[in-house]
Amino acid sequence: DAGITQSPRHKVTETGTPVTLRCHQTENHRYMYWYRQDPGHGLRLIHYSYGVKDTDKGEVSDGYSVSRSKTEDFLLTLESATSSQTSVYFCAISEPRGNTEAFFGQGTRLTVV
Amino acid sequence: ILNVEQSPQSLHVQEGDSTNFTCSFPSSNFYALHWYRWETAKSPEALFVMTLNGDEKKKGRISATLNTKEGYSYLYIKGSQPEDSATYLCAQIGSYIPTFGRGTSLIVHP
Repeated sequence: DAGITQSPRHKVTETGTPVTLRCHQTENHRYMYWYRQDPGHGLRLIHYSYGVKDTDKGEVSDGYSVSRSKTEDFLLTLESATSSQTSVYFCAISEPRGNTEAFFGQGTRLTVV
Repeated sequence: ILNVEQSPQSLHVQEGDSTNFTCSFPSSNFYALHWYRWETAKSPEALFVMTLNGDEKKKGRISATLNTKEGYSYLYIKGSQPEDSATYLCAQIGSYIPTFGRGTSLIVHP
């Protein structure tokens, strides 16, 4: 299995509080992604990183920020959590070549109450 | 943002049936097409990575084809088994970023 771990695995938080999810890889892959999974929507890209301190927005980036200060860690922050951000969040990693697959973390289930 | 469509959204079949799903994608700016298998409470895992028009890949009872000119890929499962029950995702890779379809949920009844 690819060395990619997400923490925490589960979190319940209150509306308006900040939340940070962590993705850690040991594969030295250049690209890292944060997706959210919601019923009927599959996986939607929130943000991605193509190198240390190099990040860009995905299709559902509003309300989220990211940081990547070193190759192995990619942090996703909800500055002020809302109920619409209740979801399962997946981190993924890949090399910048389309002929290799992406590898996924185990997912983080976030509930905003 | 690429528009990747999958059909059908869900599928119920009997054990032993053969089945297939479709993934359609914009044919412009094509780099690669990935298929993933996603079991409940687990993470997606890659089945196939396809890059060339006319590519055909096979893994056991599962196979896939790719037509980049018309923008579609088919995934076939021969003789479905209950353990094939999962969501099957396709992703088009454009500029290195995977864009996923919404998936096809397959349930195989014993």
